[in-house]
Amino acid sequence: AQSVAQPEDQVNVAEGNPLTVKCTYSVSGNPYLFWYVQYPNRGLQFLLKYITGDNLVKGSYGFEAEFNKSQTSFHLKKPSALVSDSALYFCAVRDRGSTLGRLYFGRGTQLTVWP
Amino acid sequence: DTGVSQDPRHKITKRGQNVTFRCDPISEHNRLYWYRQTLGQGPEFLTYFQNEAQLEKSRLLSDRFSAERPKGSFSTLEIQRTEQGDSAMYLCASSDPGLAFHEQYFGPGTRLTVT
Repeated sequence: AQSVAQPEDQVNVAEGNPLTVKCTYSVSGNPYLFWYVQYPNRGLQFLLKYITGDNLVKGSYGFEAEFNKSQTSFHLKKPSALVSDSALYFCAVRDRGSTLGRLYFGRGTQLTVWP
Repeated sequence: DTGVSQDPRHKITKRGQNVTFRCDPISEHNRLYWYRQTLGQGPEFLTYFQNEAQLEKSRLLSDRFSAERPKGSFSTLEIQRTEQGDSAMYLCASSDPGLAFHEQYFGPGTRLTVT
């Protein structure tokens, strides 16, 4: 069974500091991995994805994520946080062996960046 | 690119009533997904269409739920005899088959409240 864990419900960081939002996964096989962000009263917005290749993937708004196969993790990072980064972040996984494309999401991590 | 649109954005209904939601995907996206998101949880997959064919349904999609995509363009999700447990955000997403391992683009969602 596929599952995604986001161990922190909330992450608080000061503006200008680096941020990390953690994600671990469990899938039967190799996964495709995604990060989405959700702002209040809006749908999910795609940030970045890992398909293959370089373990460090770069995405929108200065975000990046590191795929670690041995630790089954895909942590989201940003070198310098902005107040406008405050939002709800979701990690998602898709089974590489599936042609159907359903995503399995974590519960989300609320990121708060204070000035 | 007008994005994925959903209508209505909010729906309040009394228990036992039927409701129908509409999703218009990004044009030329032949894959369409419905998810449900409850408070404090990540989106959970409900069903998936490729063109007009409904290829996968979650066990979450009880007999009271039905989804259609009659011409392979917009889709509707109907809930019959609504229950308070149906209160949630219903999200629609679409993806482009021309992109390998395509990310899904989400609409703003329809928030259902069953009183």
